[in-house]
Amino acid sequence: GDSVTQMEGPVTLSEEAFLTINCTYTATGYPSLFWYVQYPGEGLQLLLKATKADDKGSNKGFEATYRKETTSFHLEKGSVQVSDSAVYFCALSDRGQAGTALIFGKGTTLSVSS
Amino acid sequence: SAVISQKPSRDICQRGTSLTIQCQVDSQVTMMFWYRQQPGQSLTLIATANQGSEATYESGFVIDKFPISRPNLTFSTLTVSNMSPEDSSIYLCSVTRGWGTDTQYFGPGTRLTVL
Repeated sequence: GDSVTQMEGPVTLSEEAFLTINCTYTATGYPSLFWYVQYPGEGLQLLLKATKADDKGSNKGFEATYRKETTSFHLEKGSVQVSDSAVYFCALSDRGQAGTALIFGKGTTLSVSS
Repeated sequence: SAVISQKPSRDICQRGTSLTIQCQVDSQVTMMFWYRQQPGQSLTLIATANQGSEATYESGFVIDKFPISRPNLTFSTLTVSNMSPEDSSIYLCSVTRGWGTDTQYFGPGTRLTVL
């Protein structure tokens, strides 16, 4: 079945460092891809999404490009802040259809120090 | 997006009891889902809440343990029945708005601890 694999955490960075969190997926068909962020004690917030190959999702300085040839959707940010400390989840929407489940990776914890 | 609230935000319960979690959305949505996030783990879909009909459960989840209602387009409940410590998790509802979209928006979650 479909699956999402994220790099193991935790990731510890200093403020203003460059961030990459790797995400690869396995899917039959053409899923939509998502990054969600969970701040301590809160629910999940949609960070960005991409619905087809070569699409780039971006929000709050974060970016991710849908790479069908490498089945990847890596999250990047050029300069992280302490406020970016959170758990980041990569997810796919099975077959990209409404009403279908999101399949999540295990999450990557990011800790940014000043 | 959608404004989604859940009640209670957290609870501590005794084993063998049941807890009903409410999910309220500020406007009509198309799909509503319930997920479980066990401690330190990712999210797993429990079921899709269908308006006016029985929920659709994922493998490993059954109606007797997790009965779900969705009486209208903005409200759903999830009951965790006959609880055991293994049910200690965060339970989250999510919604999609509009047909043809697969983007889900999540509520703040209900943190359940079973003693």
